[in-house]
Amino acid sequence: NAGVTQTPKFRVLKTGQSMTLLCAQDMNHEYMYWYRQDPGMGLRLIHYSVGEGTTAKGEVPDGYNVSRLKKQNFLLGLESAAPSQTSVYFCASSRLAGELFFGEGSRLTVL
Amino acid sequence: GDSVTQMEGPVTLSEEAFLTINCTYTATGYPSLFWYVQYPGEGLQLLLKATKADDKGSNKGFEATYRKETTSFHLEKGSVQVSDSAVYFCALSDQPGGGYQKVTFGIGTKLQVIP
Repeated sequence: NAGVTQTPKFRVLKTGQSMTLLCAQDMNHEYMYWYRQDPGMGLRLIHYSVGEGTTAKGEVPDGYNVSRLKKQNFLLGLESAAPSQTSVYFCASSRLAGELFFGEGSRLTVL
Repeated sequence: GDSVTQMEGPVTLSEEAFLTINCTYTATGYPSLFWYVQYPGEGLQLLLKATKADDKGSNKGFEATYRKETTSFHLEKGSVQVSDSAVYFCALSDQPGGGYQKVTFGIGTKLQVIP
C-alpha cells in the first residue's frame, strides 16, 4: 500500500521557470491538501480540494495553482517560480475530520 | 482565528529522560487535537489524537490529554529513546463549514535524544 506518493522529490529551478508537483493517493480519500514547510513557520496550507474537480485557496495560495482532475491525483503548479518559493512541499490526504496522511515531501530550490 | 503554540526547540535530552513538550491552542468551537511526528527525511505521520475534552491519546509510550480548561495538549513520555529523535507538531482540526477540515499546525519542536 503506497499511501501518498509525491514526485519529484527534489527539483532545482531558475527564477521564472515553471513546474508541476504531482501527488497521488491510493486510499480513496476525498480530501487532499498541499502544504509548504519553512523553518520556524511550521506547515502552511497552500490549496486544498474537497473532491474531484474542486479546489480552494488556503493560507498562502499566491503564485501557485492546483488541479484535481482525478480523485486520486492533486497537482500543484508554479507558473513563474520565485526564490521565495524555495521550500519543502508536502501533499496530504484525508477523510473528513480524519487524520492527515502525508507524502514524503518535495524539496524545491529556486535560484 | 485558530492558532497553536509550541516551543521550537531544539530540546536535547539524555536517553531514558522524561519528555514534556508543551502545546497550547486557541480555537472557536470544539476542535480535535493531534500530535504528528516527522522523522528525518520523511513526511509527517500521526502519533496520537484526542477528539474531546479530557480524552487521553496514547501511542508508542507517548501520551497527551485534551485539557479544555487550560486549552492545552502537552505531549509526554516517561523514558525517551534515541529513536524518538524527530520533530513533533501539535495540531488542531476544525470544520468551519463547506465540507472542509481546517488543520492548524504549530511550528514544530525538534527533539534530540543523546545516548
